[in-house]
Amino acid sequence: LAKTTQPISMDSYEGQEVNITCSHNNIATNDYITWYQQFPSQGPRFIIQGYKTKVTNEVASLFIPADRKSSTLSLPRVSLSDTAVYYCLVGSPTDDKIIFGKGTRLHILP
Amino acid sequence: DGGITQSPKYLFRKEGQNVTLSCEQNLNHDAMYWYRQDPGQGLRLIYYSQIVNDFQKGDIAEGYSVSREKKESFPLTVTSAQKNPTAFYLCASSNWDRGHTDTQYFGPGTRLTVL
Repeated sequence: LAKTTQPISMDSYEGQEVNITCSHNNIATNDYITWYQQFPSQGPRFIIQGYKTKVTNEVASLFIPADRKSSTLSLPRVSLSDTAVYYCLVGSPTDDKIIFGKGTRLHILP
Repeated sequence: DGGITQSPKYLFRKEGQNVTLSCEQNLNHDAMYWYRQDPGQGLRLIYYSQIVNDFQKGDIAEGYSVSREKKESFPLTVTSAQKNPTAFYLCASSNWDRGHTDTQYFGPGTRLTVL
């Protein structure tokens, strides 16, 4: 399983674009990159998943460079309700688990 | 209204007692999972099941047991053998087309406190 490294915490302000970068230097050919969001005392919620280049949905964008050794979750125009922990996960369909590390604690300020 | 439910939301247990946490899903998912989360930490996999009547141990299965008699249900029993059971327990379900990388849908969690 590829190990991921992401910042422990980040602060930003309402209305800003927030970019959270995740490093995964030993990502394997079959690995996908997945991001989840978790609010306090709730279960995580899927945000976005990608394999290469750029993926966009109604919530976020995921940028993956050609070497796939990192990825960046981009949240446009954040609000106070985006304050949460964001997890970057890397794994392939044949892995026997997927690892939720400590994530990045994002704090949005007014 | 499709989803995954866990009950109860809060649970208190005396030391030495077994307790069973409920998890039900009506998403028609093949796979179900149990995770444990301690304060400020990530999620750790306890057990998962890809199909009815089959399940596999995760990283921290000791002191826990599960059953998967129905596709919709995956109860977790925390036994007295679990040394430090106080934690937040999360159940999830997913399809199994891409194994663990398929989107996992989580329940609201059960917070277990051992008194």
